[in-house]
Amino acid sequence: GQQVMQIPQYQHVQEGEDFTTYCNSSTTLSNIQWYKQRPGGHPVFLIQLVKSGEVKKQKRLTFQFGEAKKNSSLHITATQTTDVGTYFCAVNTNAGKSTFGDGTTLTVKP
Amino acid sequence: EAGVTQSPTHLIKTRGQQVTLRCSPISGHTSVYWYQQALGLGLQFLLWYDEGEERNRGNFPPRFSGRQFPNYSSELNVNALELEDSALYLCASSPRGTRSYNEQFFGPGTRLTVL
Repeated sequence: GQQVMQIPQYQHVQEGEDFTTYCNSSTTLSNIQWYKQRPGGHPVFLIQLVKSGEVKKQKRLTFQFGEAKKNSSLHITATQTTDVGTYFCAVNTNAGKSTFGDGTTLTVKP
Repeated sequence: EAGVTQSPTHLIKTRGQQVTLRCSPISGHTSVYWYQQALGLGLQFLLWYDEGEERNRGNFPPRFSGRQFPNYSSELNVNALELEDSALYLCASSPRGTRSYNEQFFGPGTRLTVL
């Protein structure tokens, strides 16, 4: 079945530093979604990318979909303590099956 | 607008027992998804229901089953509980599931502990 590799597994940064997580697939993706899960919370939808080379921004967050639609990245500029949590990418198939990456857990030291 | 609700919030069972978890989707959503999230790990897809039918299931044994009711709420049943079933069970809903890429809205989850 569809698999997505997400790296790194953990990232520790000083507040104000940048952060990037990557999601990679061996097959071409129709779309990719990003979710954030705060400690003790549930995943919350952030964004969806559909088009080749698509770039979307949400304040300090920048999401990219690769030209070949096989990879995606989430970049946070100047991290804040409110950014802590686990960031997941997710891929959905036409059959409705969702495959989530293993997530990147971000910790931010004030 | 009320979000996805799940009950119970916590549950403690012993090996071999059976459990039923419940989920109410956001009003107007017809698709319900179930995921298992073991402590510190990612989300494993369990089941997808849409319009009352099971549309897809993940790589879980048959003792994991469920159903969706006419009001689109859903139940997840786990029989013959095993220790490794201890996890957070998340339910998510989305609008009509004919598109492959509807965003999913997650409930708070049910924390199941099997002793």
